Amino acid sequence: AQSVTQPDIHITVSEGASLELRCNYSYGATPYLFWYVQSPGQGLQLLLKYFSGDTLVQGIKGFEAEFKRSQSSFNLRKPSVHWSDAAEYFCAVETTGGFKTIFGAGTRLFVKA
Amino acid sequence: EAGVAQSPRYKIIEKRQSVAFWCNPISGHATLYWYQQILGQGPKLLIQFQNNGVVDDSQLPKDRFSAERLKGVDSTLKIQPAKLEDSAVYLCASSWQRVTSTDTQYFGPGTRLTVL
Repeated sequence: AQSVTQPDIHITVSEGASLELRCNYSYGATPYLFWYVQSPGQGLQLLLKYFSGDTLVQGIKGFEAEFKRSQSSFNLRKPSVHWSDAAEYFCAVETTGGFKTIFGAGTRLFVKA
Repeated sequence: EAGVAQSPRYKIIEKRQSVAFWCNPISGHATLYWYQQILGQGPKLLIQFQNNGVVDDSQLPKDRFSAERLKGVDSTLKIQPAKLEDSAVYLCASSWQRVTSTDTQYFGPGTRLTVL
């Protein structure tokens, strides 16, 4: 069965520091992978997605993610974090054919001044 | 372009009561989803509609949950009777179509349900 693991429940980084959020997936075939952000009181917003091709994917708000098949990972990165990036981040995998999205438990990002 | 609308934003009920949530997707979006997000967890798909037909409801607790999208536009999710474990945020999302997985899902702000 497909699954997504986000090992870090929460992460704290200083404003201006770099960020990496980890995501590991379990899926037999080539996965479709996503990162979403959820700010307090708001719905989820898609940051980026990977379907095929270049393993480094650029998204909105300066985020990028790298697909590594050998490690079954799809980590999210940002070179310099802003206070407004404080939110919850969800990694997700989509089953091909069934088009069902399976979300990880999320990582809450805290940004300190 | 207006986003996905949901109402109410908050609802508090006692167990064994009934509750209904409403969702209006983005205009023209054929696919509509209802997710349940329990505190500390990621969203879990409850039901997916393509126009007014159900594509997937495998994780919908059908003994107490029901959903409809009669005219292929807005949708209602109902819980009857509610249990304590139904306390969660209920998210609605929509996408243009579901022919492929490349269609982006757009999420509404959610309805936070508290069952006492």
